[in-house]
Amino acid sequence: EIVLTQSPTTMAASPGEKVTLNCLASSSVSYMNWYQQKSGASPKLWIYGTSNLASGVPNRFSGSGSGTSYSLTISSMEAEDVATYYCLQLSSYPPTFGSGTKLEIK
Amino acid sequence: EVQLVESGGGLVQPGRSLKLSCAASGFTFSNYYMAWVRQAPKKGLEWVATISTSGSRTYYPDSVKGRFTISRDNAKSSLYLQMNSLKSEDTATYYCARHTTEGIVSYFDYWGQGVMVTVSS
Repeated sequence: EIVLTQSPTTMAASPGEKVTLNCLASSSVSYMNWYQQKSGASPKLWIYGTSNLASGVPNRFSGSGSGTSYSLTISSMEAEDVATYYCLQLSSYPPTFGSGTKLEIK
Repeated sequence: EVQLVESGGGLVQPGRSLKLSCAASGFTFSNYYMAWVRQAPKKGLEWVATISTSGSRTYYPDSVKGRFTISRDNAKSSLYLQMNSLKSEDTATYYCARHTTEGIVSYFDYWGQGVMVTVSS
């Protein structure tokens, strides 16, 4: 089973600040998916195939990475970005999720 | 518009069974793999099961293998999760999700609103 380790666990960013969330895989994966989950809501697909933004996702978001190291970047933090972000690998079974990064605003 | 609506959750005693349903609409259900994902209270996401388009292939993590069964009825555009021998650690919100594949890339692109299952005496 591939273990995904997300860092940081929690972080707070100021409006306009650049934010980078990390996801480290225990073995190499071909790509990474990211989900946004707001409090009390279902997860939403945010980035798929490492760098493709899902429909409706603002272009201040981007994804990158390869092998065992992937990241989600927000170029300029906004209040609406407050949420927990999860990475998901579907390169190999079983599919596994990271434990999430909770993003707050200062 | 793609919609996934789960039902069948509730409070159940340890060792008992429960069956969840997911009604799909807005897409050709029979063309997609489908999955169940769960989230324990205030915890992260855990994949529970996946089923192929025809239902001939199913996949489970060790934590539920032998206790849970995923199935589908393409004529009814419905997905199911039969949960037997329930344990307290199965307490979670269960989400139905559509599994999409483009080339080598797979992802869960649409999720239902979730249904709560509480296992407690």
